Amino acid sequence: SAVISQKPSRDICQRGTSLTIQCQVDSQVTMMFWYRQQPGQSLTLIATANQGSEATYESGFVIDKFPISRPNLTFSTLTVSNMSPEDSSIYLCSVEVGGEAFFGQGTRLTVV
Amino acid sequence: KQEVTQIPAALSVPEGENLVLNCSFTDSAIYNLQWFRQDPGKGLTSLLLIQSSQREQTSGRLNASLDKSSGRSTLYIAASQPGDSATYLCAVKDNNNDMRFGAGTRLTVKP
Repeated sequence: SAVISQKPSRDICQRGTSLTIQCQVDSQVTMMFWYRQQPGQSLTLIATANQGSEATYESGFVIDKFPISRPNLTFSTLTVSNMSPEDSSIYLCSVEVGGEAFFGQGTRLTVV
Repeated sequence: KQEVTQIPAALSVPEGENLVLNCSFTDSAIYNLQWFRQDPGKGLTSLLLIQSSQREQTSGRLNASLDKSSGRSTLYIAASQPGDSATYLCAVKDNNNDMRFGAGTRLTVKP
């Protein structure tokens, strides 16, 4: 299994600002995944982050809006840039161990 | 493209009832299927993982079954408790490592 510490757990931000979300895993993993869950919706994959290389973004998501860092095998950050109210969502990081997915506690972001 | 559907979207039951949550998927060529629990505004907690070669998995009061040929999985919760109230999500991973999530079933267990 894997234990993921994600922070902040929630934040209220002004439009036009940026927020960086951090995830720390208790073991080394090759890939970390970042998801968005808009209100009342299911999870959508934003990007996959590998250590030592640029993240791979899904259709509809771009690096300028969601820059990701992956400095080592246990840590990653996702920044939500130039926020607008449409970015209000829960953001989640995830890893896989033995084919099983584990998630952080989520970051509930509200943009006002 | 894999599509995952969960029915019903919401379910309310009295405490003590046994209940079944349903998950269906369109492409039977899956690698595994996973059931999660999500409390409001929180992350996902893994409940059960079923590999494509398995038919069911059990953990405590939870039992998940998988029928690949019909594209269905069920999550059975025995003797439901108010603490079981949450949204339950199923996710299907294909052989390309892509994971698709259902929209979830919001369960309320009334005392």
